Amino acid sequence: NAGVMQNPRHLVRRRGQEARLRCSPMKGHSHVYWYRQLPEEGLKFMVYLQKENIIDESGMPKERFSAEFPKEGPSILRIQQVVRGDSAAYFCASSPLTENTEAFFGQGTRLTVV
Amino acid sequence: SQQGEEDPQALSIQEGENATMNCSYKTSINNLQWYRQNSGRGLVHLILIRSNEREKHSGRLRVTLDTSKKSSSLLITASRAADTASYFCAPREDYKLSFGAGTTVTVRA
Repeated sequence: NAGVMQNPRHLVRRRGQEARLRCSPMKGHSHVYWYRQLPEEGLKFMVYLQKENIIDESGMPKERFSAEFPKEGPSILRIQQVVRGDSAAYFCASSPLTENTEAFFGQGTRLTVV
Repeated sequence: SQQGEEDPQALSIQEGENATMNCSYKTSINNLQWYRQNSGRGLVHLILIRSNEREKHSGRLRVTLDTSKKSSSLLITASRAADTASYFCAPREDYKLSFGAGTTVTVRA
């Protein structure tokens, strides 16, 4: 059973471009979380999704950011018109349906906006 | 928010010593999870303790949970250089895992 897979591992975008970050959860996991981490800081919750549904997007900026977790395929975090302040590591985690289980993290995507 | 707050922010110890870090949180939880992050890498899950548990062990790790004080501790015994990392607690309320800024542990050879 492969772990949580994120790609790309590193992404460089120019200001104004779009960034698409992909996350394939572990097999059998129907819950996906996205977190953002700035250097020397903890992880900040962005969004929580179940298959085809956004459950909580309270940590995600209202503009330029969107997330989806389609029935088939990976979860996508999309950042439109990136700005320098979007530069960070973005981590995805997945967990199965039951509440008293671990969440497993991917290796992250390091986004650099130049 | 339900963010876990780790204390101390940084810890430097000699190889072979024990390292203890604490976590406080604000509201009721389903469980509390501890993670390790090596510099520039993803988070590795260490241990999960449920709200009805008081202590849990895994190898050289010992975690306690006191729900009356809304606090948890992580003890790493007989530390090794490879334990150098940042450690995060993540209280889980319903579906949400919330992280603090972490404790950075440096183990000196």
